[in-house]
Amino acid sequence: EAGVAQSPRYKIIEKRQSVAFWCNPISGHATLYWYQQILGQGPKLLIQFQNNGVVDDSQLPKDRFSAERLKGVDSTLKIQPAKLEDSAVYLCASSFTVDTEAFFGQGTRLTVV
Amino acid sequence: AQTVTQSQPEMSVQEAETVTLSCTYDTSESDYYLFWYKQPPSRQMILVIRQEAYKQQNATENRFSVNFQKAAKSFSLKISDSQLGDAAMYFCAYRSSYSGGGADGLTFGKGTHLIIQP
Repeated sequence: EAGVAQSPRYKIIEKRQSVAFWCNPISGHATLYWYQQILGQGPKLLIQFQNNGVVDDSQLPKDRFSAERLKGVDSTLKIQPAKLEDSAVYLCASSFTVDTEAFFGQGTRLTVV
Repeated sequence: AQTVTQSQPEMSVQEAETVTLSCTYDTSESDYYLFWYKQPPSRQMILVIRQEAYKQQNATENRFSVNFQKAAKSFSLKISDSQLGDAAMYFCAYRSSYSGGGADGLTFGKGTHLIIQP
């Protein structure tokens, strides 16, 4: 069974530029999560989707971050414009449905300079 | 809001020995789940063990076991017969029990870096 796929693995951008990350969840998984992991900290939930609807985006900085999950499968997370403090690993996870085990991808390491 | 605290930034253990990683949490909920995740340098979070709060029996998975003390809000991980492959960051995580709204994201601690000495 293929795991959660994320791309790119690494991205370096200058502050004020925009960037997008892509996630392909495990086939058949209805629930998709995006987490931000700043160096030296645990992951923090940014947004949770159930199919193509948002379940929780209470910790998403909506002035610069946006996410979508068209057709309830792949998802993209966008930052525009990026700030230095957005440097982090962005992890995507998926689960069959709510209240089931979540499987994580390998993340995208973003460096903002 | 729930919080998870891991007070040991780094732990070191000799290969084949036993090590215990500590975790405390704060919540006003009575029903929830607790997890230990392993994160190797590849960055992929791997589930090690899971505990349901309503279960009194401590969870075990091969060499991994937990000591769940609900009243004390403590959830420690014991790794027996440590192996070189156990070296990684370990994160304790909390999740509310299923709510009608469906929000079930994880709240993580800051992690403990586990070093295995050969």
